[in-house]
Amino acid sequence: AQRVTQPEKLLSVFKGAPVELKCNYSYSGSPELFWYVQYSRQRLQLLLRHISRESIKGFTADLNKGETSFHLKKPFAQEEDSAMYYCALSEGYGQNFVFGPGTRLSVLP
Amino acid sequence: NAGVTQTPKFQVLKTGQSMTLQCAQDMNHNSMYWYRQDPGMGLRLIYYSASEGTTDKGEVPNGYNVSRLNKREFSLRLESAAPSQTSVYFCASSETTGEAFFGQGTRLTVV
Repeated sequence: AQRVTQPEKLLSVFKGAPVELKCNYSYSGSPELFWYVQYSRQRLQLLLRHISRESIKGFTADLNKGETSFHLKKPFAQEEDSAMYYCALSEGYGQNFVFGPGTRLSVLP
Repeated sequence: NAGVTQTPKFQVLKTGQSMTLQCAQDMNHNSMYWYRQDPGMGLRLIYYSASEGTTDKGEVPNGYNVSRLNKREFSLRLESAAPSQTSVYFCASSETTGEAFFGQGTRLTVV
């Protein structure tokens, strides 16, 4: 069965510091990987997906199939980045999204 | 453009009561999902529906039933609520492009 792990429940960094949120997955096929963000009292929203290879709000994520990882990175954290971040895997064709437990990022002034 | 709409936003139930959470999407998506969000557990899939007329169990289906009424609507029913079902419930929908769109959530408390 597919599984997504995020080892850090809470990650605190200072403003301007680099940040990396870790995500590992287990899946036998070729999954689609996503990062979702949930700001305080808001609904979850897509941050980025591996197939688009975009940089959104300064965040990037590279799919490493060898290490089965999809870590989220940003070189200079901002206070407005404070939120809950979820890594997610889809079997493809929009089916059966599986989410990790989430990492709460706190960016300190 | 409403996207995914859930009702109600808040609900308090007594143990043993029943209720239905409603979800509707206006994006013509085939797939719809119900998740529960608990502290430290992230989002766990309760049920999903890959297309109109089909439903499948997710990770935590016990105590819940679902109904894919039509392509737009996917409801979640608690037949006999228990305190362990206190949670925030999210409905989502997606299409073959893969991105899932979420509702604003329903905060349910069972006392």
